Amino acid sequence: DGGITQSPKYLFRKEGQNVTLSCEQNLNHDAMYWYRQDPGQGLRLIYYSQIVNDFQKGDIAEGYSVSREKKESFPLTVTSAQKNPTAFYLCASSMIPGQATGANVLTFGAGSRLTVL
Amino acid sequence: KQEVTQIPAALSVPEGENLVLNCSFTDSAIYNLQWFRQDPGKGLTSLLLIQSSQREQTSGRLNASLDKSSGRSTLYIAASQPGDSATYLCAAPEAGGGNKLTFGTGTQLKVEL
Repeated sequence: DGGITQSPKYLFRKEGQNVTLSCEQNLNHDAMYWYRQDPGQGLRLIYYSQIVNDFQKGDIAEGYSVSREKKESFPLTVTSAQKNPTAFYLCASSMIPGQATGANVLTFGAGSRLTVL
Repeated sequence: KQEVTQIPAALSVPEGENLVLNCSFTDSAIYNLQWFRQDPGKGLTSLLLIQSSQREQTSGRLNASLDKSSGRSTLYIAASQPGDSATYLCAAPEAGGGNKLTFGTGTQLKVEL
């Protein structure tokens, strides 16, 4: 089955540690995205990528880093510089708008919940 | 910058009712709008995408409309069922195109037996 796999589902981090969240898709999508979700707030865009080896900052990129070495993979590192990292993190992918009808539709993974101890 | 607002924040209805969820956006120069469903602790599932050239899009008991001139979209759920209980989010793209979406905070729906 095609889809997006995020791991781990739950992650605990001590203050000062970097952690990496994995996101893998087998949908052959060119674009991938990372969103953060906090209670009572809408999803906020952290980073996005439309092509391998290229990515752009979203609205809340500070304290995060990403890489896009393969089309299928878009890992997110939450660094120690992120002041309030406890949140639900969602990865998504899509075709590039205009590639095909419905290219804009985002497919989401199941999410990773990060808690700072 | 695009801003998306959803009203109401929460809604509780008895099974069988027809209901309407509202979404408003500030930048009407959008080329589509999407509605998603999110179950507790889960990712988002795409329900409907309405292109700017369309006024409505239907999938089963769901019907979404888009009025760009007024900056509004509605999601109509017919004959609601307990399995419809979830949070419903709408998302509009940023001005200028691309697929950077701005999400509303969602409407949490509970359908009671």
